[in-house]
Amino acid sequence: GAVVSQHPSWVICKSGTSVKIECRSLDFQATTMFWYRQFPKQSLMLMATSNEGSKATYEQGVEKDKFLINHASLTLSTLTVTSAHPEDSSFYICSAANRGGQGQPQHFGDGTRLSIL
Amino acid sequence: QKEVEQNSGPLSVPEGAIASLNCTYSDRGSQSFFWYRQYSGKSPELIMSIYSNGDKEDGRFTAQLNKASQYVSLLIRDSQPSDSATYLCAANMDSNYQLIWGAGTKLIIKP
Repeated sequence: GAVVSQHPSWVICKSGTSVKIECRSLDFQATTMFWYRQFPKQSLMLMATSNEGSKATYEQGVEKDKFLINHASLTLSTLTVTSAHPEDSSFYICSAANRGGQGQPQHFGDGTRLSIL
Repeated sequence: QKEVEQNSGPLSVPEGAIASLNCTYSDRGSQSFFWYRQYSGKSPELIMSIYSNGDKEDGRFTAQLNKASQYVSLLIRDSQPSDSATYLCAANMDSNYQLIWGAGTKLIIKP
């Protein structure tokens, strides 16, 4: 149980393109979903917390107009990287927490490797 | 500032030995603790959750929690080369399911 599907797995695109990444909880309802970014050999960095039906909460330094998050249902959240540039190239990972109560772990998708040329 | 601290390593352990990974946390309000394993280039994978003081065993893995000392550990028995990865410790302390992450300990199991 607790499977999170994320796609696409990797994206290569030209500078200026907008890229949408989907994160789905397949066998549970996710009260909250999280979006992380990870550069090579570095720690996970939380970008934003997304609650179903409300606006995402962004971490300090993360541009909300650059990284658009939509959490329209209890099983789907999307991250759109708008007008992506080479410095946005990174490994983006989503996670979801089961609405079963506080103390639930986060379950991660497989991540999306984004390369902007 | 709520923090979770881990030694970055690398921790090198011979195959078949016990690997011991440690983590401390700053906020006494923390209630839930998790160990994740992350292979290079992959996303984290949950391997253990622990909520109460004491030991919790699952196969070759044992998580230990000591709330008085604000200390969490993970023991891996009969270490295998496939256990080589970065192990992330995380604590949950609020109602928003957000985790406070340690930076991770890189574990290398030498054949």
